[in-house]
Amino acid sequence: DQQVKQNSPSLSVQEGRISILNCDYTNSMFDYFLWYKKYPAEGPTFLISISSIKDKNEDGRFTVFLNKSAKHLSLHIVPSQPGDSAVYFCAASGAGKSTFGDGTTLTVKP
Amino acid sequence: NAGVTQTPKFRILKIGQSMTLQCTQDMNHNYMYWYRQDPGMGLKLIYYSVGAGITDKGEVPNGYNVSRSTTEDFPLRLELAAPSQTSVYFCASSLWPGNGYTFGSGTRLTVV
Repeated sequence: DQQVKQNSPSLSVQEGRISILNCDYTNSMFDYFLWYKKYPAEGPTFLISISSIKDKNEDGRFTVFLNKSAKHLSLHIVPSQPGDSAVYFCAASGAGKSTFGDGTTLTVKP
Repeated sequence: NAGVTQTPKFRILKIGQSMTLQCTQDMNHNYMYWYRQDPGMGLKLIYYSVGAGITDKGEVPNGYNVSRSTTEDFPLRLELAAPSQTSVYFCASSLWPGNGYTFGSGTRLTVV
């Protein structure tokens, strides 16, 4: 039973447009939600997080939205840049550890 | 500031051999984790530790062991390697779980 799901394996957007990556979860006990970015042959890098008591958190071009009633979160990247091309992992934290989704590969075309 | 350091970066093991994947962090983080990533998949938690002397199983602990004798080090031991353990292994640490992890660069292990 996968507790964190990223249903889109890939997403392609044009440079300058908005990228929206989605994530669903099943366990309402998670207290933080996080997004990571991963380039090939490197470890994931933490991008942005949101507490379960918030519905929005913004950091520069990155905004995370949390809809607790739908158990859904999304990451918005505006504007998208070619350097944003990577695999993005959604993670949910609870009881001292995080559960990761399978990732979405974002390609930003120049 | 080195962050999280994993060694080795690559290793080929024969079935039945054993090895230890090393992980050390210099950020004084209490929380440390071992994940594995199979091709096209997300990260699966093997073991984690909330402080020196305390370890707990994650989602996929079978075939692995860990110890945490110091805050800095969290080695992962593979006993009797099997082809199913072919994967990329990531060590991570954090100040507290909701803070975001700092990951190492990974160890790519192949069991033949």
